[in-house]
Amino acid sequence: NFMLTQPHSVSESPGKTVTISCTGSGGSISSDSVQWYQLRPGRAPITVIYEGNQRPSGVPDRFSGSIDSSSTSASLTISGLKTEDEAEYYCQSFDNSNSFVVFGGGTRLTVL
Amino acid sequence: QVQLVESGGGVVQPGGSLRLSCAASGFTFSEYGMHWVRQAPGKGLEWVAVISFEGSNQHYADSVKGRFTISRDYSKSTVYLQMDSLRAEDTAVYHCAKDLSDYNYVFAFDIWGQGTMVTVSS
Repeated sequence: NFMLTQPHSVSESPGKTVTISCTGSGGSISSDSVQWYQLRPGRAPITVIYEGNQRPSGVPDRFSGSIDSSSTSASLTISGLKTEDEAEYYCQSFDNSNSFVVFGGGTRLTVL
Repeated sequence: QVQLVESGGGVVQPGGSLRLSCAASGFTFSEYGMHWVRQAPGKGLEWVAVISFEGSNQHYADSVKGRFTISRDYSKSTVYLQMDSLRAEDTAVYHCAKDLSDYNYVFAFDIWGQGTMVTVSS
């Protein structure tokens, strides 16, 4: 089965840049089928990246997404970190073999 | 303003039933597939179900197949999740989410609701 693996946690200082990885196993990651979601307690989740590298309106351009050339991993990069970016981030894709949505395990970002 | 607002959560005994609602506004409800996604306490996200824009197709995660039913009411711009034969492992915050694509569903979400808590406990 297709799986997505993320680091459990990352931390960085305000103003710095952080990259969160999302590694696929049991299949390849399609460049147009990776999404990244931001979850903060008590708030509705927010889509920060869709289709690999597209940013919804209203999401700051500090957020960017990429897929590596071997299509085995995706990354979310947040530059100019702000304390409000502190949240859990989940990558998500789709397993074509069984028509299932696949989420990564989530990465807790601490900005301190 | 595009918005999804869930309701209907609560505490229910194992084996019981509950119906969740998700009221949509700010977009053309009839043009988009709609999903339910849940997050158990201390756990990650789990996709639950999808219903197509026209309502004729539904798909479910194996963990809820045969117990949960997704439906939609166009007159109320509302999507529902009927949950029967509930188990302790169904305890979670349930979010509804709008599919990214119009007139199709691509299992990607662009708008989420805040969620409603379901607790299955005796």
